[in-house]
Amino acid sequence: GQNIDQPTEMTATEGAIVQINCTYQTSGFNGLFWYQQHAGEAPTFLSYNVLDGLEEKGRFSSFLSRSKGYSYLLLKELQMKDSASYLCASLDSNYQLIWGAGTKLIIKP
Amino acid sequence: GAVVSQHPSWVICKSGTSVKIECRSLDFQATTMFWYRQFPKQSLMLMATSNEGSKATYEQGVEKDKFLINHASLTLSTLTVTSAHPEDSSFYICSARDVAGTSYNEQFFGPGTRLTVL
Repeated sequence: GQNIDQPTEMTATEGAIVQINCTYQTSGFNGLFWYQQHAGEAPTFLSYNVLDGLEEKGRFSSFLSRSKGYSYLLLKELQMKDSASYLCASLDSNYQLIWGAGTKLIIKP
Repeated sequence: GAVVSQHPSWVICKSGTSVKIECRSLDFQATTMFWYRQFPKQSLMLMATSNEGSKATYEQGVEKDKFLINHASLTLSTLTVTSAHPEDSSFYICSARDVAGTSYNEQFFGPGTRLTVL
């Protein structure tokens, strides 16, 4: 079956660094997405990885290991506005997104 | 660029009535649009994939006669919730994939429609 696992909730301090992990098992693989979703709003795109390695984009970085079926999203210099849910999604062989349940990130001052 | 709109943003209706939600790609053409439903504190659940000019493909467990999808043009898809009941209350989100495509088949999301059925 298809499965995406990520932690339900994480807490971090403003200014710190946090890493949100995601493991996936899907029918075929055409890439791994990370989205940010604030409460009551639609998801917004953060990153896409299809090759192994680290992609850096400002304060956010995303890593992929295809052999391990593993990805992480790294958030640096955390700001209060980063409090949101972070969704991991794998693009399967039919180019359909398979979604994780999301990780709720709580930032404390 | 790559903006997707949804209308209405929120709707309250009585049980038994039908509600239509529109999803438009404003600055690009979308051969494929996706309809999702999200219940509180849960992840997105794909309801159906809509291809322009053809019938939608529904996910297992989604009633196609209850959730009518029409994708008549490359910029518009509609979802009609027929005979809505309180259990249909949810956050409905559409997304669209650009015809030209990106190198990674990114989906662009609409802002969502909050449906409350009394």
